[in-house]
Parts: sequence; C-alpha cells; structure tokens
Amino acid sequence: SSELTQDPAVSVALGQTVRITCQGDSLRSYYPSWYQQRPGQAPVLVLYGRNKRPSGIPDRFSGSSSGSTASLTITGAQAEDEADYYCNSRDNSGNHYVFGAGTQVTVL
Amino acid sequence: QVQLQQWGAGLLKSSETLSLTCAVYGGSFSDYYWSWIRQPPGKGLEWIGEINHSGSTNYNPSLKSRVTISVDTSKNQFSLKLSSVTAADTAVYYCARGVPTVTSMYLNYWGQGILVTVSS
Repeated sequence: SSELTQDPAVSVALGQTVRITCQGDSLRSYYPSWYQQRPGQAPVLVLYGRNKRPSGIPDRFSGSSSGSTASLTITGAQAEDEADYYCNSRDNSGNHYVFGAGTQVTVL
Repeated sequence: QVQLQQWGAGLLKSSETLSLTCAVYGGSFSDYYWSWIRQPPGKGLEWIGEINHSGSTNYNPSLKSRVTISVDTSKNQFSLKLSSVTAADTAVYYCARGVPTVTSMYLNYWGQGILVTVSS
C-alpha cells in the first residue's frame, strides 16, 4: 500500500466544490504535487509547492496543507474536471518519491 | 516549449530486459531531474526513479535491484532499463521532467507514454 492515502472516489455536482485529500506522514515536512489524469492521457501537473498552479491551470484549483493531510480543492467544478487525481511527495524516509493511489472525481 | 518524446520496445517476453529512451526538446537539460513513472492497466501511478545531468540516480526501493537509469547529455536523452521483466511489469511507462525544491518536487512535463506488455 502507498505511504500516501487518498479516497478512491468522490463525486461533485456541476458548479459545486469538491475537496480531494492526501494523507501521509511525509506531508508534515514536504508539500505534495497534484496531477490530473483524464482517460487515455498522460498526467498533467495542476498544483505544486505551497498552492502554486502551473501556467494554464484554472484558478478554481487550489491547495492547502495541515499536519499530515494535504488537500486539492476544485471550486466550481466543471465537466472537464472529471478525471483521476494523484498526489505525489517524498516517502517516509524522505529519500524517494511516492504517489497516492489516486482519487476518481465524477462531476454530476 | 518543452517536449519529451519516448520510444522503445512495446512487447517483451518474461525474463527479458525492458529498454526505453526519452528525448528532451527545449529548455535546459542540466537544471532538472529526469524521471520514469509507470502505470499498470487500470491502476495508479508508480514512481520508478530519476537521474540528473551528472548521472546521479535515485530509485524506487521496490525496483532498485532491476532498474538502471542512464543519461546521455550530448543528446539530451535519458534511458530506462528494467531487467527480468514479468507480467507484473506490464504498464504504460512515462518519462517526465522533475523540478526539485527544498520542500517539494514536481513533474511539470511528461512524455506521451508507451504501453509495454510482457507476455509469458
């Protein structure tokens, strides 16, 4: 099992807000990065560091961290946000990297 | 614009060695770590390892005994070799550019992915 724990699936009504969480001891020391993956496509970076978005990522994506839990929030979810979302950070040793198992987001 | 283009054999037999290469176009090659990630069909992402321009490597402990990542700075390419493959190594393999920071690392450019199938 991964050292980063994510809920397997969440759903959100169109235009509403959804929070995706990632739990792990390493998150007390390191920020995660977050990736969106649509079916059949390569992952895309959506958040990194302390709530930073790459160019081209809508500002409805935001991040936060508290203790061993990091969150990705989509405020005003759109149909195109339906995808799998993965967190990534260092493992508990701090020497390697690990992905969470992913959260499938369904927009209703 | 940064682009990563990857290639390699897509069908292997058990016990053979997987070999993939990723070419980097655009941007600096020396300022980043270059990573390999894989994804078994219908499953999540798994970090395999990374290398920098000087050849310093970092591998997933669960794969370390079978993995070799190398770099060719003259061609802005890096490669993955995974020995003694089994059906469990069947996956889409991605290359990616890693940006290390003090408090995080992020992968901001990815290759298109290659499906590698291992048959018995």
